[in-house]
Amino acid sequence: AQSVAQPEDQVNVAEGNPLTVKCTYSVSGNPYLFWYVQYPNRGLQFLLKYITGDNLVKGSYGFEAEFNKSQTSFHLKKPSALVSDSALYFCAVRDSRINTNAGKSTFGDGTTLTVKP
Amino acid sequence: EPEVTQTPSHQVTQMGQEVILRCVPISNHLYFYWYRQILGQKVEFLVSFYNNEISEKSEIFDDQFSVERPDGSNFTLKIRSTKLEDSAMYFCASSEQGLPYEQYFGPGTRLTVT
Repeated sequence: AQSVAQPEDQVNVAEGNPLTVKCTYSVSGNPYLFWYVQYPNRGLQFLLKYITGDNLVKGSYGFEAEFNKSQTSFHLKKPSALVSDSALYFCAVRDSRINTNAGKSTFGDGTTLTVKP
Repeated sequence: EPEVTQTPSHQVTQMGQEVILRCVPISNHLYFYWYRQILGQKVEFLVSFYNNEISEKSEIFDDQFSVERPDGSNFTLKIRSTKLEDSAMYFCASSEQGLPYEQYFGPGTRLTVT
């Protein structure tokens, strides 16, 4: 079974400050990890993913995420938040051991990020 | 940039009626998915589809649901007899290859069952 947890429903930061949105996961094998962002009345938009290799992954809009195997975490970060980053963020996991490529990703509950001017 | 499109954007239907939600995935993508998001809740996997057959489905995807790729471009989700609890945002997604390739999501269809 695969699962993902986003422990914070809401994260508030001031513009210009660093932001972190937390994600922890559970899989039997090695994880494939994804971050998506959802703006109001829009679909999910891919930000970045970790498959293998460097633990620090860089993605769109200046976001990055660090894979930490010992802590089973994949926290999303940005050094300097913008008001336009305000949105709903979803972490997703997929167990690499599942032998169908067309299987599901499991999504977290989502974290609402609010960046105040 | 190519994108996944979905129609209609909003569908209102009465309980017991059949609905068909339509999606046009990105043209060179081979893997297709349906997810749903009940208002304020998490995104839930429904079904994945590859090579003209279902690859994986969740427990939500019961006999009331079916998917079809009727031609080379459309990918549809049919709900045979809608229930109130089917009210949700339904997202179609596609990916060029299977996971771990990222999925590209459409803007969603809001289904309201009255």
